Amino acid sequence: ETGVTQTPRHLVMGMTNKKSLKCEQHLGHNAMYWYKQSAKKPLELMFVYNFKEQTENNSVPSRFSPECPNSSHLFLHLHTLQPEDSALYLCASSQSSGASGANVLTFGAGSRLTVL
Amino acid sequence: GNSVTQMEGPVTLSEEAFLTINCTYTATGYPSLFWYVQYPGEGLQLLLKATKADDKGSNKGFEATYRKETTSFHLEKGSVQVSDSAVYFCALSDLTGGGNKLTFGTGTQLKVEL
Repeated sequence: ETGVTQTPRHLVMGMTNKKSLKCEQHLGHNAMYWYKQSAKKPLELMFVYNFKEQTENNSVPSRFSPECPNSSHLFLHLHTLQPEDSALYLCASSQSSGASGANVLTFGAGSRLTVL
Repeated sequence: GNSVTQMEGPVTLSEEAFLTINCTYTATGYPSLFWYVQYPGEGLQLLLKATKADDKGSNKGFEATYRKETTSFHLEKGSVQVSDSAVYFCALSDLTGGGNKLTFGTGTQLKVEL
């Protein structure tokens, strides 16, 4: 494991389901991120948290709801998703915004989401 | 806004061949530049980085030089191995918002065959 652990690794859900993705890091980082990885598209930054506070929401639809209860844990709550939301969702962590090393991200292995 | 453009893949090479993966960028100011690598079934890992013009980042036999005049950061390796098969992402960050918002390219898949 890379130090950033994501669960589940694979998730299949219907459009009316509610599910959550979980991310955990034990690197002592204070910034955490959600990225969406789709085939043949650049990684899309979704959300950024610094010291548990959301500092970036990249115009993400409200059917994606992040939660950061502490600097080590990050969740992405999913509800009424669409088939086009099927993708690999990557969590990452780093030193906090403005700190040395803030732009060196450590990624988890991702959660592969399929929406039927 | 910032953007990163990478050559499309897949790139297929024989073992011990020379590798170049092109990357160009558009950014305001003076960004830091990165190459990340994603092996099958894993998350992205930092491969190398450069923080200012003419800097050369290097790691595991890979190199990339920050060329401000051509806004490029091409990845090179003199002799690839089968174990280098992965997807390679070029990325940049600037100081906007504290410097931890990275802009990534689409990724270039490398396949190395015996």
